[in-house]
Formats: sequence, structure tokens, C-alpha cells
Amino acid sequence: AQSVTQLGSHVSVSEGALVLLRCNYSSSVPPYLFWYVQYPNQGLQLLLKYTSAATLVKGINGFEAEFKKSETSFHLTKPSAHMSDAAEYFCAVSHSGNTGKLIFGQGTTLQVKP
Amino acid sequence: EAGVVQSPRYKIIEKKQPVAFWCNPISGHNTLYWYLQNLGQGPELLIRYENEEAVDDSQLPKDRFSAERLKGVDSTLKIQPAELGDSAVYLCASSPGPDRGHANEQFFGPGTRLTVL
Repeated sequence: AQSVTQLGSHVSVSEGALVLLRCNYSSSVPPYLFWYVQYPNQGLQLLLKYTSAATLVKGINGFEAEFKKSETSFHLTKPSAHMSDAAEYFCAVSHSGNTGKLIFGQGTTLQVKP
Repeated sequence: EAGVVQSPRYKIIEKKQPVAFWCNPISGHNTLYWYLQNLGQGPELLIRYENEEAVDDSQLPKDRFSAERLKGVDSTLKIQPAELGDSAVYLCASSPGPDRGHANEQFFGPGTRLTVL
């Protein structure tokens, strides 16, 4: 069975500081991994995805994530936080066999302080 | 390109009343998903369609929930009767399909926020 654990339901950083949102996954088969962002009263928007190619994945809005198989992790980072980054972030795992089912983590709320 | 469209955006009903949500996926997307998102949690899959066929409805509470995707395009999710615990956001998503090389990437609509009083 697949699962996702996001460490820290709330993360607070100052504007300009490093953003690090943690995600660990469990999967018995090679996974596809995703990070989605959700702004208030909106749907989820894809930030980036890992599909067994390069382990360092670059996404939109300056975000990137690194797949580490040995640590079963897929942490999301951004060198310098902007106020507009304040949102809910979800990590998700999917079966690489294209069954289409996404398993989401509980989400991490990112607060950016001026 | 238009995104996934959902309506209504908000719905308030009294318990035991029926309610329906509508979703129009991105044009050409064969796969359609309905997710339930409770407050402070990640989305959970209710049902997945490949064209007009429901291929995964194992998480759909079939005693009160039903869904259809006639003609393999737009879809309707219904709850009858609604209970207090059904208050949540109902998200619809679509993807090109398993044979289109998009690695399960899903495109989400804005959701319908249901409040059951």
C-alpha cells in the first residue's frame, strides 16, 4: 500500500528565507511523486512531479524537490520565500503503473511573515 | 485552454436533503476523478472514470452517494440524503489518461464547498 507523510502541519518562515516542506512516502513499487499547492478557496495546482527521470525536479514559482530513494523522501524547497507563497501544500504519491490514483498527505500550511 | 469547471462553487443544504455537483473536465481528458477534501486534510479519491466507465469506486459510500459520467465527458456526483458529516469540499480532476504519457498528472477544478446544516 502507498502512503504519504508530511512532517509539520504548519511551517512559518520570514520573507526571503529558505522554504523546506518535508514529505516521506511509502510505496512497494516505483512511485510517481507530486507536489500540489492550494490557495484559499481554489483547487490544487501542480508545482512539480517526479516520474523516475532526474532526481532533482524543478517546478513552477522557483520551487524544486529532490527524490531520495534511500530516505524515501521528496522534500520541497525554495531558496527565498515570497509573501505570495503562503498557501497549503500537498505531497502525493501515485503508482507508476498509471492506475491514476493519487494518495495525498495531510498537507502543510506555509505562512510567510514580512 | 479552459480548466476543469465545477458548479456550484458553494452549496448550503439541510441534512436529509439531496444535493448534486457538476463537473466538466478539460477537453480531451478521458480520465475524471471525484475527490473529497475534509477541512485540514488532503483530498481522498471517491471515484475514477475512464471515459464513461467507473473503474475505481471502492471509496464511494454507495448507500448515499452516486455518480455518473454519461457520454464520457461531464460528470455529476450526487448525495441523497446528505448528512452533517458530508460537509466538505468536493473536488473534480481530470487527466489525459493512462496511455497519454502524463504520469498520472491531474488537473483540478476549484471545488464545491458543501455545508450541511
